[in-house]
Amino acid sequence: DGGITQSPKYLFRKEGQNVTLSCEQNLNHDAMYWYRQDPGQGLRLIYYSQIVNDFQKGDIAEGYSVSREKKESFPLTVTSAQKNPTAFYLCASSILTSDIQYFGAGTRLSVL
Amino acid sequence: GQNIDQPTEMTATEGAIVQINCTYQTSGFNGLFWYQQHAGEAPTFLSYNVLDGLEEKGRFSSFLSRSKGYSYLLLKELQMKDSASYLCAVRARFSSGSARQLTFGSGTQLTVLP
Repeated sequence: DGGITQSPKYLFRKEGQNVTLSCEQNLNHDAMYWYRQDPGQGLRLIYYSQIVNDFQKGDIAEGYSVSREKKESFPLTVTSAQKNPTAFYLCASSILTSDIQYFGAGTRLSVL
Repeated sequence: GQNIDQPTEMTATEGAIVQINCTYQTSGFNGLFWYQQHAGEAPTFLSYNVLDGLEEKGRFSSFLSRSKGYSYLLLKELQMKDSASYLCAVRARFSSGSARQLTFGSGTQLTVLP
């Protein structure tokens, strides 16, 4: 079955630690996105990538980093510079010419 | 910048009809999407409007008026499983014109009562 897989489902970060959230898709989509969702709020764009080896900052990129070495994969690193990382993180992908975005099941990140 | 407004919460009865409104202010408008999100789960795509008018898809319909910056999602024959958050998202071009992104509203939490 085609889809978007995010892992892990739950993640705990210690202070000063970097953590990486995985996102893999087998939909052959060119574009991939990372969003952050806080309770009672909408999705805010962290980073997006329209093609391999290229990515752009979204509205709240500070404290995060990404890479896009393969079409299928778009990992997100939450760095120690992100002082308030507790949130629900969603990865999405879309065919480049159509912006219907399809989402993974999400990773819930908490701080120990 | 962009601004999207939706009611925070709505309540309706099983079998009834409910209309969830979304107003937006944006430049470079290029389409409006509705997503459904159950608690703790991923948003799932419901509908897409780029031209004025009504798009119907089973029990769900979505309407768009570009001149008014207004859309609504209409849910008919409500079922308990329709209890979820409904997200309105607007697609617009960056000011540079180089790409498009979605901006999401905060969502409307719909509770369907028996």
